[in-house]
Amino acid sequence: DAGITQSPRHKVTETGTPVTLRCHQTENHRYMYWYRQDPGHGLRLIHYSYGVKDTDKGEVSDGYSVSRSKTEDFLLTLESATSSQTSVYFCAISPAASSYEQYFGPGTRLTVT
Amino acid sequence: AQSVTQPDIHITVSEGASLELRCNYSYGATPYLFWYVQSPGQGLQLLLKYFSGDTLVQGIKGFEAEFKRSQSSFNLRKPSVHWSDAAEYFCAVGGGQGNTPLVFGKGTRLSVIA
Repeated sequence: DAGITQSPRHKVTETGTPVTLRCHQTENHRYMYWYRQDPGHGLRLIHYSYGVKDTDKGEVSDGYSVSRSKTEDFLLTLESATSSQTSVYFCAISPAASSYEQYFGPGTRLTVT
Repeated sequence: AQSVTQPDIHITVSEGASLELRCNYSYGATPYLFWYVQSPGQGLQLLLKYFSGDTLVQGIKGFEAEFKRSQSSFNLRKPSVHWSDAAEYFCAVGGGQGNTPLVFGKGTRLSVIA
């Protein structure tokens, strides 16, 4: 299994509070991704990174920001959490963009009350 | 831009029956194609992938998929389903230029009944 960890694995937070999710890899892969998964919507890409300090927006980036200061860590921040951001968040990594498979982390279940 | 359609949201099959999950893609050149499986409460696991060569690819857990360029399809098959195959299955397409990520379908949920 690819070395990907996500923390925390579960979190409950209140509307309006900031939240940061962490993805950590030990594979030294260049690409890292954040997805959210909701019933009926499948996986939706939030942001991705193609190198340290290099990031780009995905399909559903509003309300989210990311940072990548080291190859191994990719942080997802909800500046002011809303109930619509209640979801399961997955991190993925890949050595190449779309000519290679992505490896997924175990997910973080976030509940915003 | 590439896209993926999984026409079936939910499929129910009997244990021991054969299975085919459909995946249609849109991409101008030769695509890179993937099937993933997600068991309840888990992350996604790669089942198989197609890059080039033989259009019938074998994967883990007894699954196979066939790339048909003329139909823009990459359907997943298994000759005999086991109860443990109940999960969600995602098809994905890649091959775009630069940093373009894979594009995932919305998934097909498989239920297995006795």
